[in-house]
Amino acid sequence: GENVEQHPSTLSVQEGDSAVIKCTYSDSASNYFPWYKQELGKRPQLIIDIRSNVGEKKDQRIAVTLNKTAKHFSLHITETQPEDSAVYFCAAFLNKLVFGAGTILRVKS
Amino acid sequence: SQTIHQWPATLVQPVGSPLSLECTVEGTSNPNLYWYRQAAGRGLQLLFYSVGIGQISSEVPQNLSASRPQDRQFILSSKKLLLSDSGFYLCAWSLGGSTDTQYFGPGTRLTVL
Repeated sequence: GENVEQHPSTLSVQEGDSAVIKCTYSDSASNYFPWYKQELGKRPQLIIDIRSNVGEKKDQRIAVTLNKTAKHFSLHITETQPEDSAVYFCAAFLNKLVFGAGTILRVKS
Repeated sequence: SQTIHQWPATLVQPVGSPLSLECTVEGTSNPNLYWYRQAAGRGLQLLFYSVGIGQISSEVPQNLSASRPQDRQFILSSKKLLLSDSGFYLCAWSLGGSTDTQYFGPGTRLTVL
């Protein structure tokens, strides 16, 4: 089955800096890669996703890149703000959605 | 638009007591439904998923069970709770198909004492 590894487990950045979270997946047939943001005590919310026929997708300050050859995808957050502090989960879909273990992002002001 | 509800929002139960958590979805038909558990500071563990009424797949053997008595209703149950059942229980729905965007409910925080 699919396996998703996510790094780093924690990430601290200064406000205004960029943050990058990376995930690798094991099954080259996976075709959909969403990212979720979970604030403390709340539900995970979809922030961006990418399908396997696309290499990059942007939405304002966030972007996701996909390298199908290397089987990894990354979340990029530019100009980080304190409200970006949260846990971020990547996921990969083959026959079902498999989540990474999560990254705690702390943005220091 | 679609809406997903969960109740109760919080629950404190003694060890050995039964459990029933409910999830309902509005605004869509025949959704895929999921139950996840999240221990404190941990990731998302898929417990059960359902592609239709009465169709339940279990991902993790344990003292929990799930049922789907109606198209948009998903119930998580236990006959006897364990301390290790404490956590944040999340229900999610999706439309299925070749990609599977899942949308999560607000969750139930369960504490077993």
